[in-house]
This record gives sequence, C-alpha cells and structure tokens, in this order.
Amino acid sequence: QSALTQPPSASGSPGQSVTISCTGTSSDVGNYKYVSWYQQHPGKGPKLMIYEVNKRPSGVPDRFSGSKSGNTASLTVSGLQAEDEADYYCSSYAGTYNLVFGGGTKVTVL
Amino acid sequence: EVQLVESGGDLVQPGGSLRLSCAASGFTFRNYAISWVRRPPGKGLEWVSSISHSGGGSYYADSVKGRFTISRDDSKNTLNLQMNSLRAEDTAVYYCAKDRETGGHGVNSFDVWGQGTMVTVSS
Repeated sequence: QSALTQPPSASGSPGQSVTISCTGTSSDVGNYKYVSWYQQHPGKGPKLMIYEVNKRPSGVPDRFSGSKSGNTASLTVSGLQAEDEADYYCSSYAGTYNLVFGGGTKVTVL
Repeated sequence: EVQLVESGGDLVQPGGSLRLSCAASGFTFRNYAISWVRRPPGKGLEWVSSISHSGGGSYYADSVKGRFTISRDDSKNTLNLQMNSLRAEDTAVYYCAKDRETGGHGVNSFDVWGQGTMVTVSS
C-alpha cells in the first residue's frame, strides 16, 4: 500500500491561512470517509486534529478544518499561530483492515 | 489522565528480536482497540499493527506481516509487540495509539498517543 501524497512543506505568516493537501486513490481517500489529520511537534507523540474528514475532537480549535473532494483531502489552518508550527500527517482507511499515512508536511509560521 | 507509555526499545542486530510494551492508564483499556505506529528517522508515520478491543482480531501492515505479533493483556492494561527477524528498515520510533471509538477494530483514527520508544536495528 503506497503512502498518501502530501507536500513536504507549507508556510504562512501569523494570522494567515495555510492549506495542506493529501492525495490518495479510489482505494483509500476516495472510497472512505475515514480520513484523519495529526499534528506532531518535535519529540512528542502525534495529536489528533481531524477525524472522519471534517470532525474536530473536543479541545481542537475551530481554526482547524478538514474537507475532501474525490481522492484528495485537505486540512486548512486559519489564523495561523506560532504554536501551529509542526509536522502534519493525514491518514486514510484503505480497506481490508489497512491504514495508510501521508508522508507528512512541515508547516512553518513565518 | 489518559496515558500510554511505551517501553522496550533498544539497539538490536539484524535478524534479532525485540519485545515492545505499552502501559495504559486513565481509561477502560479492554473497551478499545490499540495500535502500533512507527516513524523511521527522517520519514513519515507508518501504521504497523492493530488489535481489536476483544483481542479477537489482529491486523498488520504488509511490511511486518509474519515477523511481528501484536497482543494485549487486559488484566494488566498492557499492549505488546513481539518483533522477530528485524531488519534495518524497522529502525524507527514506535508509538502505541488508542482508537478514538470503543469496540472498533482499531484501523482508523487514534485520539491518544504515547511518547514513543526507539528501536534501532544495526550491526
């Protein structure tokens, strides 16, 4: 199972928005609503930011939003803050008890 | 506080074996599927294995199938990963992660993660 495709980096100034894409296939992203997004700071475990394409866990700011169109999912961070600087990963259920992650995107707050 | 703490990471030679453990606290362990996810140095996350809440189902990535075995001990709130025939490409930080929903198979989304334990496979 191939990894989902994410841009290696993205950046924005404080207060701006940044959108990260996550491209899969009709066997994963395009076929299931089970797309998740994780944030990971250096030396820490990942944190769930979005599940089932566009749902936010309790405690995650509404500045974080998710969407999906066809085989591509997206995470948008609005009103960028310094603490949003981190690595972001998407994941998707890929059928038959298989899960695939994206390669990760490093978000820099300029 | 809901918490997962991994242990057992070490330096091991190619072809060797290692057993990782994950101690859970702060939630009803037996109600949730639990998974292992790894991050090789300089690379992204990779799902490794999941075990259902009942322990009746266990699932593996193709890259580790036949070499790794996941298990759980609900009496001790512990998850284990037995890793055999280790290869250089298994070098990574290994995280255990809790399923977001009760009663699932675990191959979906994870709302609690540990800090990870480092496994290095090298001669």
